[in-house]
Amino acid sequence: EIVMMQSPASLSVSPGERATLSCRASQSVSSNLAWYQQKRGQAPRLLIYGASTRATGIPVRFSGSGSGTDFTLTISSLQSEDFAVYYCQQYKSGGTFGQGTKLEIK
Amino acid sequence: EVQVLESGGGLVQPGGSLRLSCAASGFSFSGYAMNWVRQAPGKGLEWVSGITGDSTTIYYADSVKGRFTISRDNSKNTLYLQMNSLRAEDTAVYYCAKRGTYYKDGSNYYYNFDYWGLGTLVTVSS
Repeated sequence: EIVMMQSPASLSVSPGERATLSCRASQSVSSNLAWYQQKRGQAPRLLIYGASTRATGIPVRFSGSGSGTDFTLTISSLQSEDFAVYYCQQYKSGGTFGQGTKLEIK
Repeated sequence: EVQVLESGGGLVQPGGSLRLSCAASGFSFSGYAMNWVRQAPGKGLEWVSGITGDSTTIYYADSVKGRFTISRDNSKNTLYLQMNSLRAEDTAVYYCAKRGTYYKDGSNYYYNFDYWGLGTLVTVSS
């Protein structure tokens, strides 16, 4: 099973600043990597697929990069509505998720 | 507008059974694989099971294989999850999720998930 590891577990950032979240796979997943945002009490929302393609309706401040085993989600200028938990998911073999990064207001 | 709505959750004793349903609308249901993903209280996401649009291929996580059965009725635009021999560790919110894009490896398909329902809570406890 491919294990996904996210870092950091939590991140405190001020509104308007940039946030960088990392995801590492235990073996190559090529570009078969998705990012999701989950707010408290809500279902996850797909942000990024194919490692770097924004899903429908996702603002341009969200960007994804990486391939192989190392991936990054960048939020260029944090808005109040962006504070949430973010998960990465590989879909190269099975569909394992990372444990999540909680993005908090500083 | 794409919508998926789960139902059927509740409290069940260990060893018991429960059947979840997911009603879908706003897209050509039979043309898309559907999945169940769960989230234990305060924990992360775990993919549980998936089924192709024509039901010819079904996938299960090892943690539920032999106990859970996924199925669908394309005439009713509805996805199901029959859960037997339930354990305390099955306690979670169960989400129904429509497949987004996919990776094809031989005859196997692996998915990301572009639309999710609000989830239904399953609690396994005596």
